[in-house]
Amino acid sequence: EVQLVESGGGLVQPGGSLRLSCAASGFTFSDHYMDWVRQAPGKGLEWVGRTRNKANSYTTEYAASVKGRFTISRDDSKNSLYLQMNSLKTEDTAVYYCARRGLGGNYFPFDYWGQGTLVTVSS
Amino acid sequence: DIQMTQSPSSLSASVGDTVTITCRASQGISSWLAWYQQKPEKAPKSLIYAASSLHSGVPSRFSGSRSGTDFTLTISSLQPEDFATYYCQQYNSYPLTFGQGTRLEIK
Repeated sequence: EVQLVESGGGLVQPGGSLRLSCAASGFTFSDHYMDWVRQAPGKGLEWVGRTRNKANSYTTEYAASVKGRFTISRDDSKNSLYLQMNSLKTEDTAVYYCARRGLGGNYFPFDYWGQGTLVTVSS
Repeated sequence: DIQMTQSPSSLSASVGDTVTITCRASQGISSWLAWYQQKPEKAPKSLIYAASSLHSGVPSRFSGSRSGTDFTLTISSLQPEDFATYYCQQYNSYPLTFGQGTRLEIK
């Protein structure tokens, strides 16, 4: 069974940093691109960014709203995905989901999602 | 960026009804469109990919179609568990973008 379990959320002051983790199990983690998607309270879904797999040199993509502040990384030996968030702003307050991109060619959407972890940026 | 515009933003229907939700892309995305279902306080669930292909385990009452840059999600014979918020998402190009969501409520 595919499982994605996020952790690391919490309350942080504006300008602070936080590191989220996503522990994966039930599939060959190293094969997949992995993403972070967030959802502000009462709002819709917003894509944060992606890390590709080893075969694609672990390259990354980011939304403009987080580029230069957030860094996505992964450790295939630990089946884990990370989101390092720096210079946090109040508008970064959201539930953060990790999501697995399915396998099936050059274009494929998410097929599994974690349960999310809440990040609150407030003084 | 590609904008995804969903309509309606909310919808009331009864068990057994058939409903249609529309998503329009601001530019061509081929058929690289997905639909997700989200229930309150829960993670999204993947329903449809490539505009019309159902993910494994998704009931056949869900269907998707494409006409140019317009996409539709149809739910036939609504069941109580289908009342939720639905999002479309394009994965043709970065940044990946979602529609604003359609809330499906019980009438």
